[in-house]
Amino acid sequence: AQKVTQAQTEISVVEKEDVTLDCVYETRDTTYYLFWYKQPPSGELVFLIRRNSFDEQNEISGRYSWNFQKSTSSFNFTITASQVVDSAVYFCALTSGTASKLTFGTGTRLQVTL
Amino acid sequence: GAGVSQTPSNKVTEKGKYVELRCDPISGHTALYWYRQSLGQGPEFLIYFQGTGAADDSGLPNDRFFAVRPEGSVSTLKIQRTERGDSAVYLCASSPPTDTQYFGPGTRLTVL
Repeated sequence: AQKVTQAQTEISVVEKEDVTLDCVYETRDTTYYLFWYKQPPSGELVFLIRRNSFDEQNEISGRYSWNFQKSTSSFNFTITASQVVDSAVYFCALTSGTASKLTFGTGTRLQVTL
Repeated sequence: GAGVSQTPSNKVTEKGKYVELRCDPISGHTALYWYRQSLGQGPEFLIYFQGTGAADDSGLPNDRFFAVRPEGSVSTLKIQRTERGDSAVYLCASSPPTDTQYFGPGTRLTVL
């Protein structure tokens, strides 16, 4: 069985601060995919990134960066110079082996204030 | 292009009633998923279609829940004899085979 743990329930930062959202996953499969989704107050889940288990290269997209470490089963997400528009709930998720269904963590609510 | 659409956006019903929730996937996406999200939780998988057939229905909580996708495009999630515990946001997602899932806006179901 697979599991995703997001230990941070809620984080509050002031605009322009950097913030890291933690994600730890569990799976017995050697082939898996990790995802981050953003859920703004409007409610719709927005896809941010997908990484496969064989690619441990860190990725940067604008102010967003992701650190994938198989040794610690972690896939952490950093927002640099946070903005008010980054306020949302962020979900880490996993598909594993031949299963296509996403297993989500419980989410981290990020509040960015002026 | 158009994203995943779901109707209705809100549904209020009484305990014991039957409801249908509809999902229109992104054109050309062969895979379609249903998830349920309770307040303060991450989405939980219900069922997955590849084409017209249900490839994985292991997340359906009981036999009151049923979903169809008769022509491999639009899908309907059907809930019989609704209970207050069924209140949640029902999310639909679609994807090309074994690829990233894109989500619709959800249907908020309230069972009184």
